[in-house]
Amino acid sequence: EIVLTQSPATLSLSPGEGATLSCRASQSISSFLAWYQQKPGQAPRLLIYDANRRATGIPARFSGSASGTDFILSISSLEPEDFAVYYCQQGSDGLFRFGQGTKLEIK
Amino acid sequence: QVQLVESGGGVVQPGGSLRLSCVASGLNLGGHGMHWVRQAPGKGLEWVTFIRYDGSDDYYADSVKGRFTIHKDNSKSTVYLQMSSLRPEDTAMYYCAKDKGVKYLDYWGQGTLVTVSS
Repeated sequence: EIVLTQSPATLSLSPGEGATLSCRASQSISSFLAWYQQKPGQAPRLLIYDANRRATGIPARFSGSASGTDFILSISSLEPEDFAVYYCQQGSDGLFRFGQGTKLEIK
Repeated sequence: QVQLVESGGGVVQPGGSLRLSCVASGLNLGGHGMHWVRQAPGKGLEWVTFIRYDGSDDYYADSVKGRFTIHKDNSKSTVYLQMSSLRPEDTAMYYCAKDKGVKYLDYWGQGTLVTVSS
C-alpha cells in the first residue's frame, strides 16, 4: 500500500512570498503524482500531473518537481486566491490515494 | 466544456442504501473512465472507486469494497454509485470526477452530500 505524507500540515505565508509544499511517497511511484487545490465550499481542481506538468489553464507560478519519492509543489509568488488546501495524489497502483493535505493560510 | 453534476444525496439510516448519479456533459462518457471521491466534514479527500472507460473493470477502496458498486451508462452519459450497508463513517460529500490517463482526476463535479444517521 502506497502512503503519501504531506508536509507541513499548515503553512502560513504572506501574499507575494514563495511557497514550497512537500509530498513523500512510501515507495516508488515513478513520476505518477498530481497536485490539487481545494478552496472552501468548492470541488478540488487539478493543478499539476506527472509530477511537473501543469494542467490546462493553470498559471505559470505553479510548478512541480520530483526527486525519487519526494515531490514538491512550488508557488513562486502567492496571490490572494492561492490560499487554500493542497493535496497530492498518486496514480501509480490503480488505487489513486491522496495525501492528507496542506493548508496554505494567510499570515 | 466538461460539466459533471451529481445528485441523489440525502439522509439515510445506518444499514440503508442510496444511489448517487453523476450526469456528464461536454464529453463522450464512453471514452473516459470515471471516479468517485468523498470528503467527510472537515476532513481530507478519500478516493472511493474508479471504472474504466468501457466498464470492463472497476476498483474500490478497502473501506467500501463489497458495499459500494460503480456503474456507468454511456447512453445516458451517467455514472452511478450504488451504496449499501451504509455506516455513519460514510457520511461525506461525494464527488464524481473524470479520469485522466488512468492516473489522475481532471474534471470534478460540485458534489452531493450523504449523511448516514439514525
